[in-house]
Amino acid sequence: RKEVEQDPGPFNVPEGATVAFNCTYSNSASQSFFWYRQDCRKEPKLLMSVYSSGNEDGRFTAQLNRASQYISLLIRDSKLSDSATYLCVVRTGGSQGNLIFGKGTKLSVKP
Amino acid sequence: NAGVMQNPRHLVRRRGQEARLRCSPMKGHSHVYWYRQLPEEGLKFMVYLQKENIIDESGMPKERFSAEFPKEGPSILRIQQVVRGDSAAYFCASSPPAGGGQPQHFGDGTRLSIL
Repeated sequence: RKEVEQDPGPFNVPEGATVAFNCTYSNSASQSFFWYRQDCRKEPKLLMSVYSSGNEDGRFTAQLNRASQYISLLIRDSKLSDSATYLCVVRTGGSQGNLIFGKGTKLSVKP
Repeated sequence: NAGVMQNPRHLVRRRGQEARLRCSPMKGHSHVYWYRQLPEEGLKFMVYLQKENIIDESGMPKERFSAEFPKEGPSILRIQQVVRGDSAAYFCASSPPAGGGQPQHFGDGTRLSIL
């Protein structure tokens, strides 16, 4: 089983749609969780950290279920500029440990 | 506030040559991480360094690859006797010394092409 698994997509949605991405991780000792986005193989950029209580940042909502080892990202009112690959990222080895990346879910928002 | 600086952005080498990739962390960051992204693949951890120390090199290939983060100057990822399979994007990330699960911030990456 892969350490971090994501549906690769692509997800093709119209502007204004709501889209949800899911991610599962295998190591129950994982401590920190993030969503990054990556445009056209440029550098990954932090979208948001994910907390157990769930957190929201504008149109983006992230949820974490530690019991199921499941992370989600919800994007509301999709914009053309949201088109990118969304990377589910987990840190296992302590607060300064390395990050483990999923392969990413590709989102394409169409006019 | 400069971000993580990597250079060069693009590097072309012939098989058998050496490649040196440089990374300067964000100001105030003392932890440096190197990741590799092969074509059509996700990012894979290579090595984690602090000043003058390698903390975790579990992701480094056993041969030809080395990394350092000297007291002065940038972190260097060195690949000796490069082969075609080394062609990839190499990303450096940094984080501050404080704990608490700080996210890592990435540089623009170095695209290495092996002829």
